[in-house]
Parts: sequence; C-alpha cells; structure tokens
Amino acid sequence: DAGITQSPRHKVTETGTPVTLRCHQTENHRYMYWYRQDPGHGLRLIHYSYGVKDTDKGEVSDGYSVSRSKTEDFLLTLESATSSQTSVYFCAINPGQGYGYTFGSGTRLTVV
Amino acid sequence: SQELEQSPQSLIVQEGKNLTINCTSSKTLYGLYWYKQKYGEGLIFLMMLQKGGEEKSHEKITAKLDEKKQQSSLHITASQPSHAGIYLCGADGGGSNYKLTFGKGTLLTVNP
Repeated sequence: DAGITQSPRHKVTETGTPVTLRCHQTENHRYMYWYRQDPGHGLRLIHYSYGVKDTDKGEVSDGYSVSRSKTEDFLLTLESATSSQTSVYFCAINPGQGYGYTFGSGTRLTVV
Repeated sequence: SQELEQSPQSLIVQEGKNLTINCTSSKTLYGLYWYKQKYGEGLIFLMMLQKGGEEKSHEKITAKLDEKKQQSSLHITASQPSHAGIYLCGADGGGSNYKLTFGKGTLLTVNP
C-alpha cells in the first residue's frame, strides 16, 4: 500500500541485544521518518531523514540511531535494546507539500 | 517545539449521533493533518488543512481549521460503528518544514 513497507512486522528480542528495523519505500521520496507509539504518549518522532545521509533527531532519539545510504531505505537501530524500547514503531514518508504523510503498517517490538 | 492537545481523550457515542474532536496547538498551524487508526493497525490519512478558515469533507467527516490557525476540529455526522478507532491530529511547519508531530489521540467508540 502506497509503496512503503516495514520489516520485520513483529520481533521479540532480549535486553542488551542490537536490533535493526527497516523501512523501504518504492516512491523515491526525500523525507522519511521513524515514530514510536505508546499508550498515553501517542506517536512520538524518533528520527527523520531529508535525503541520503541527511538525518536529524526527533523528540525521543536517545538510544536510537538511523542510517540512510539509499533513497529507498531508512534503517532504525537500537544499539542495546532496553525494556523501555518495547513499543510499536512506525515508518512514514512525505510525498511533498499538500499531501498527507503515508505510514507503514508498523513493527511491534518486544524487549524481554 | 509545537505541542498539540486533543480533546476529549476518549469518547463513547451511540450510533447515529454526531460528535466533535478538537485539536489545539501551542503555535500557529501551517499544515494540520487528521488521521484515523484502527487498533493494532497503521494510520489512515483523512484530510489536510493549511489555510485559516479552511474546511474539508469526506463522506460524513468534516474538518475545519479556525481563522487564527491554532485550532482544528473534526466533526462526524451520524456516526457508525465503522467510525470507531483512534483519531490523531498532526502538524508540521508548512513550507519546507516537514517535521510532523502529533497529539496524543482521541479514542472513539461507537455503540450500535
């Protein structure tokens, strides 16, 4: 749907292990985003990218890093996962001014 | 940073009733987006508003942006069980400021 896919859809990992989530788009858009969604907090921006190798922090970036080596892929890495990073993660793309942002289906991450 | 406050946090209505959800910003709204989310699923784009006084409708859902561009409302006429879900308002800086932040959402339950 709308050319954006997230992988994996579900993941369970142990505390202290590294985890990488992938967001892939087929539409060649410049802007890509990573959010996390938690009860009581809504959707919060982690990092975003405005081009290949161009990234910036959002409001909850501590403990997360991102990389964008190709236009179509935006990776989110948890260097050492903690239980507080258990969440649903959403990727999004911005098709341009005047259009709604498009979201992926989400990745449910559980850190045990 | 821009803060968005949604009210109410949750809402239970009887099928057929009208309802309104509000989104108030701490700063001027340049790009205001409404999304709907079913539990456990991704976000569905509903409407985008940019101009003061702007109003858009889709089926039985109408969204408005006030003249001062600091508040938006989402109105559902003759609600149906299919309208149930979480409604989220999001805002970016408009122009080339594509950093989308969200309110915490409004959970809508429609009882048949």
